[in-house]
Amino acid sequence: QKEVEQDPGPLSVPEGAIVSLNCTYSNSAFQYFMWYRQYSRKGPELLMYTYSSGNKEDGRFTAQVDKSSKYISLFIRDSQPSDSATYLCAMSGTGNQFYFGTGTSLTVIP
Amino acid sequence: SQTIHQWPATLVQPVGSPLSLECTVEGTSNPNLYWYRQAAGRGLQLLFYSVGIGQISSEVPQNLSASRPQDRQFILSSKKLLLSDSGFYLCAWSSGGSGTQYFGPGTRLTVL
Repeated sequence: QKEVEQDPGPLSVPEGAIVSLNCTYSNSAFQYFMWYRQYSRKGPELLMYTYSSGNKEDGRFTAQVDKSSKYISLFIRDSQPSDSATYLCAMSGTGNQFYFGTGTSLTVIP
Repeated sequence: SQTIHQWPATLVQPVGSPLSLECTVEGTSNPNLYWYRQAAGRGLQLLFYSVGIGQISSEVPQNLSASRPQDRQFILSSKKLLLSDSGFYLCAWSSGGSGTQYFGPGTRLTVL
């Protein structure tokens, strides 16, 4: 079983839609949860960061962590064509390693 | 603020040739440094990570090696490239215990 599972998509939505991206994980020791946005041929950019459980909001983006279900989500409100990218979830615990999902490809259609 | 640089941005090399990719971080001290490879349509594969000068942990046995000659410099090398070494190489840094990781712009390597 992989440490982190992420639906690869692709996901295609109309402009203005609410997008929901999700990851599940198996290691209960994970404490830090991240979402990255990666445009084609670029390095991943840290989008959201959450420690432990709960919600975090930043503009149109909301990250949720449910440690009891080992499930994390990223919601994008009022999606824009500029949100078209691959979104990677990532997690870490007390060690030095980070564990990544394979990424979900999102296209927002104008 | 912290900045991470990688070069070159793009590289085309023949099979059997050597490789040297460089990564430097500015604006922080004693970072943890990482090399990943990202193949098309696949996730990030951790190759090496380092928690200090001269300290390298290898995650995948292969013909690549890494070195950390200075606190904020991380180098990925190979003596003889294989076709399977083609991919997008990403350097990243984290501050020990911070729980977040930041990536460089990447190097796209094509081995012909």
